[in-house]
Amino acid sequence: SAVISQKPSRDICQRGTSLTIQCQVDSQVTMMFWYRQQPGQSLTLIATANQGSEATYESGFVIDKFPISRPNLTFSTLTVSNMSPEDSSIYLCSVDEGVLDTQYFGPGTRLTVL
Amino acid sequence: AQSVTQPDIHITVSEGASLELRCNYSYGATPYLFWYVQSPGQGLQLLLKYFSGDTLVQGIKGFEAEFKRSQSSFNLRKPSVHWSDAAEYFCAVGLTNFGNEKLTFGTGTRLTIIP
Repeated sequence: SAVISQKPSRDICQRGTSLTIQCQVDSQVTMMFWYRQQPGQSLTLIATANQGSEATYESGFVIDKFPISRPNLTFSTLTVSNMSPEDSSIYLCSVDEGVLDTQYFGPGTRLTVL
Repeated sequence: AQSVTQPDIHITVSEGASLELRCNYSYGATPYLFWYVQSPGQGLQLLLKYFSGDTLVQGIKGFEAEFKRSQSSFNLRKPSVHWSDAAEYFCAVGLTNFGNEKLTFGTGTRLTIIP
């Protein structure tokens, strides 16, 4: 399976600022996904990022708050904009290697907003 | 829309004892089913998956799961747990429509192992 890395692994940010999270894969993949895991909760899909097209956002998530870039087949970024304490979560990227819809996850970015 | 239910929020078992984590799904077609494990401070690791064929699937770390269509269940089992199995376990169902590969996760079951 693909090896996925995320940067930063964790961060503490001030209210009103923005943070960009990077996701790097060691092989070319078509589909990448961004999830949010709020404290003590399950994973919620934020958006699907395909290279060469605009990201597709799930209900409740908007591009102005969570802009996503997908410049090539091995890299994506998620920005959490104008942060508030409610944005404190673990943000995970995942990739679909195209083998029967199996997704593999990165280690996550733990974000705390003060 | 599909949904996943993990009825047990927290389970405690003794080291060496057997384990079964429950998962029920709701989906109109044949589902893709997955179990992931998340150790403290870590990302998600795929334990096993079911797509078709043999309803008993083997995974990593000695885990297995059985797909029961009549019960809409995909329970995870391990005959003898180790202290390192303490983690959060997530069941997930995937859409099978090409080009719409979304996963829906259950709320998770936290597993505690006691000596």
